[in-house]
Amino acid sequence: ETGVTQTPRHLVMGMTNKKSLKCEQHLGHNAMYWYKQSAKKPLELMFVYNFKEQTENNSVPSRFSPECPNSSHLFLHLHTLQPEDSALYLCASSQDRTARDVEQYFGPGTRLTVT
Amino acid sequence: GENVEQHPSTLSVQEGDSAVIKCTYSDSASNYFPWYKQELGKRPQLIIDIRSNVGEKKDQRIAVTLNKTAKHFSLHITETQPEDSAVYFCAASRYSTLTFGKGTMLLVSP
Repeated sequence: ETGVTQTPRHLVMGMTNKKSLKCEQHLGHNAMYWYKQSAKKPLELMFVYNFKEQTENNSVPSRFSPECPNSSHLFLHLHTLQPEDSALYLCASSQDRTARDVEQYFGPGTRLTVT
Repeated sequence: GENVEQHPSTLSVQEGDSAVIKCTYSDSASNYFPWYKQELGKRPQLIIDIRSNVGEKKDQRIAVTLNKTAKHFSLHITETQPEDSAVYFCAASRYSTLTFGKGTMLLVSP
């Protein structure tokens, strides 16, 4: 599937590194999301963008910094992460955050390991 | 905010049996309840959803029921097949923000 793509698929970084995750959607959607998926925990919503505007920040630490330059691209900038930040980071998109049809399409995720 | 509880965390069945996964939610204003399937190493994908104005919805071997009064909804899979093995997530939504359950790992043995 190529509707929502994420790069890189795997990332290993030290606690002092700075890296960025990229998400791109080819579905013509206007809302994009970042989720964190850790073992034995529910999918945790991190950020929501609707028409390029951030509409939700779910009490995420400032070491995670999102950027949405347009409705098709979403970035997650990472710096000074902690080992407990190791997880699968999933990007998703939907037609419109306010639309009744709220099916979210997920990307394949980036498996992040912080050493 | 919304809180979604999902049970069981693991479910093992024999091929051909039925499987039922149950979720409860806390926010009575939630009005959309999707179910996602995530196969090992793959992305979550929507398999069925239900809105609060409907009590039951069916799509071939899968069905979802919703009890608004009790604030719970369930996923039913009949005639299970090995390819149904995956983690299933329920979610509840109000104003498009999804709150997910912790997931149920379904194992279907041939």
